[in-house]
Amino acid sequence: GAVVSQHPSRVICKSGTSVKIECRSLDFQATTMFWYRQFPKKSLMLMATSNEGSKATYEQGVEKDKFLINHASLTLSTLTVTSAHPEDSSFYICSARQLSGELFFGEGSRLTVL
Amino acid sequence: AQSVTQPDIHITVSEGASLELRCNYSYGATPYLFWYVQSPGQGLQLLLKYFSGDTLVQGIKGFEAEFKRSQSSFNLRKPSVHWSDAAEYFCAVGASSSNTGKLIFGQGTTLQVKP
Repeated sequence: GAVVSQHPSRVICKSGTSVKIECRSLDFQATTMFWYRQFPKKSLMLMATSNEGSKATYEQGVEKDKFLINHASLTLSTLTVTSAHPEDSSFYICSARQLSGELFFGEGSRLTVL
Repeated sequence: AQSVTQPDIHITVSEGASLELRCNYSYGATPYLFWYVQSPGQGLQLLLKYFSGDTLVQGIKGFEAEFKRSQSSFNLRKPSVHWSDAAEYFCAVGASSSNTGKLIFGQGTTLQVKP
């Protein structure tokens, strides 16, 4: 089946720094990707919809300036957590949509902010 | 408002026993329903989905789910659980079969399998 890869799988950073997480569709083109956040023992919360070549659409309550999303190509979307703080520590998961509409999820990226 | 409820946070079953994970949804239009499985520290894998047609849906790994509109439910079942089935299971609802990735997830059910 189709593969979506996230990098890095784990990242630890100091408070105040910025961290970039990549989401790549390895064997298909994805005009739309989605970023989710998952807290421990909690469900996934949709943060934003990433559209290739245009601005991301953020869900209510998600800070656009805090979570920068760029979808520069048909196979890559990036999520940058700017000026990270400990409360931003979480598991971030992306999904990519094939033309058929089927979704494929990445393996997730665990961010720990010290 | 759209929502998905998984009433059981944690379920423990013996290996070889049958399994049913509950999912109830609230959605104004025809729902598109999904079950995903997540192993620790991993992403999500689609088990099965329901868009239309036969309300009993077969998925991978021996799982099946039944859509019951009258009960707003989409419960996941497996006749005989294997130790490798231990994981987190998420029910999700989407707005459309081919034009969404905006899924609303339930809280998840943790499945533990006893030897």
